[in-house]
Amino acid sequence: DAGITQSPRHKVTETGTPVTLRCHQTENHRYMYWYRQDPGHGLRLIHYSYGVKDTDKGEVSDGYSVSRSKTEDFLLTLESATSSQTSVYFCAISSGGDRSYEQYFGPGTRLTVT
Amino acid sequence: AQKVTQAQTEISVVEKEDVTLDCVYETRDTTYYLFWYKQPPSGELVFLIRRNSFDEQNEISGRYSWNFQKSTSSFNFTITASQVVDSAVYFCALSEGAGNQFYFGTGTSLTVIP
Repeated sequence: DAGITQSPRHKVTETGTPVTLRCHQTENHRYMYWYRQDPGHGLRLIHYSYGVKDTDKGEVSDGYSVSRSKTEDFLLTLESATSSQTSVYFCAISSGGDRSYEQYFGPGTRLTVT
Repeated sequence: AQKVTQAQTEISVVEKEDVTLDCVYETRDTTYYLFWYKQPPSGELVFLIRRNSFDEQNEISGRYSWNFQKSTSSFNFTITASQVVDSAVYFCALSEGAGNQFYFGTGTSLTVIP
């Protein structure tokens, strides 16, 4: 299994509070991704990173920001959480380093915004 | 418009039956990549197969086989002699463009009844 961990695994927070989710990899891969999974929508890409300090937006980036200061860590921040951001969040890394390669996913973080 | 369409939301089959999961994609790129992932009830996402747009050869891996047809923009997945352990949600995904945009379908939930 690819070495990907996510923390926390579960979180309940109130509307308007900031939340940061962490993804950590031990594979030294260049590309990392954040997705959200919602019923009826499958997985949707929020942001991705193609190197330290290099990030770009995905399909559903509004309300989210990311940072990558080290190869192994990719942080997803909800500046002011809303109920619509209640979801399961998955981090992924690209096995081969770019989009042509399959992604390996972390275990997911279940976030509930009340 | 959906980039990846999995029209079958839920499928139930009796063990040992064959089942085909449909995936239709939309892209204007000549170079793109297609993937299938499995999400068992435990929630993790497991990579199954990757196919690039220049390789239309069908692939078989044990009880799993994939049929890629560019003419119909389809990448269908067949499980032969289904087993209870095949019960999961299956996602088809597309990677296209110069960036790292990945698009997932909404998934097909497969239940194999013993």
